[in-house]
Amino acid sequence: ELKVEQNPLFLSMQEGKNYTIYCNYSTTSDRLYWYRQDPGKSLESLFVLLSNGAVKQEGRLMASLDTKARLSTLHITAAVHDLSATYFCAVEGSGAGSYQLTFGKGTKLSVIP
Amino acid sequence: DGGITQSPKYLFRKEGQNVTLSCEQNLNHDAMYWYRQDPGQGLRLIYYSQIVNDFQKGDIAEGYSVSREKKESFPLTVTSAQKNPTAFYLCASSPGPAGEQYFGPGTRLTVT
Repeated sequence: ELKVEQNPLFLSMQEGKNYTIYCNYSTTSDRLYWYRQDPGKSLESLFVLLSNGAVKQEGRLMASLDTKARLSTLHITAAVHDLSATYFCAVEGSGAGSYQLTFGKGTKLSVIP
Repeated sequence: DGGITQSPKYLFRKEGQNVTLSCEQNLNHDAMYWYRQDPGQGLRLIYYSQIVNDFQKGDIAEGYSVSREKKESFPLTVTSAQKNPTAFYLCASSPGPAGEQYFGPGTRLTVT
């Protein structure tokens, strides 16, 4: 059974600081997704990571995937208040009929002035 | 505009009543999914469908039922057998059985 663990679950950081959110998973997978959720809203796709060593960047966010370590990171550079949200990683299962996404519990990020 | 719609946005029901949540997509996606989200939790898969007239149980299917009679529609019925139905329900779709999923705006169901 695929298990996905995010840490930290809660993160309060000052504007302008850097931080990293970690996503560990338990079984082999080459595909990982990062989503953002604002309070009371749906999920918005941020990054799609489809191979070992994949790195994607958008603005102040950068995501990477190390399939050997079964680890993805979401790095935040010079945080701003607009980045306050909950961030989820989701790992795609592998093997026939097992392509479903398993989500982490999410990291609630609060960026304070 | 292509996208996924869910209705209603908010739904209130009395215990013991069945309720159906609507999900429609015009993205021409083959696969559709239903997730449940509880406060402070990630998403848990209820049911999914990879093709019309076929669907499979996810991790928490008990007390729920679905149908997939049309490619664009995947309604979810929350039955009275679901012990704790109050939650935020999200519908998603993807072009094929694997790959990035696109989410609808969600339905918040409250059962009292």
